[in-house]
Amino acid sequence: GDSVTQMEGPVTLSEEAFLTINCTYTATGYPSLFWYVQYPGEGLQLLLKATKADDKGSNKGFEATYRKETTSFHLEKGSVQVSDSAVYFCALSGGTGNQFYFGTGTSLTVIP
Amino acid sequence: ETGVTQTPRHLVMGMTNKKSLKCEQHLGHNAMYWYKQSAKKPLELMFVYNFKEQTENNSVPSRFSPECPNSSHLFLHLHTLQPEDSALYLCASSQARGTGKGYEQYFGPGTRLTVT
Repeated sequence: GDSVTQMEGPVTLSEEAFLTINCTYTATGYPSLFWYVQYPGEGLQLLLKATKADDKGSNKGFEATYRKETTSFHLEKGSVQVSDSAVYFCALSGGTGNQFYFGTGTSLTVIP
Repeated sequence: ETGVTQTPRHLVMGMTNKKSLKCEQHLGHNAMYWYKQSAKKPLELMFVYNFKEQTENNSVPSRFSPECPNSSHLFLHLHTLQPEDSALYLCASSQARGTGKGYEQYFGPGTRLTVT
């Protein structure tokens, strides 16, 4: 069945460091891919999405490119801030199973 | 109000109590979801409603009872819960469910439930 695998955390970075959180997926069909962010005490917020191969989603300085050849959707940011400290979830939807699948989440802490 | 709202934000209940969680979406969506988020565990999908009809129940114990009176409102009725049911309960909505299209889900802020 469809699934999403993302890198284990927690991840701790210094402010202004480069961020990569890896996400790979397994799906038949043509799923859409998403990154969600969850700040402490809040629900999940959609951060960015890509609906087809080679699409790049971007928002708030974060980017992710839908790579069908490597079945990946890695999240990147060139310079993280303390306010980016949160849990990040990779997700897919619209594969053959018509389900919405979340990764296990990666906790990011950015220190000043 | 915009987006997805949930009430209450925090709830403490005893094991013999009966309470309800409420979710409302203002996005014109047709599908609504309940998720359970426990510490150190993946997000667990509990129930799915599509056009007010329950389409999925992922082996959730009967002490959790969902209700969807219309496409904008979703309830989760709770009774005789156990301490291990303590978690963050998240409601979400999307344009629809299935059809092979990857509709994104929009989440409420959650209800932090503590069962004593």
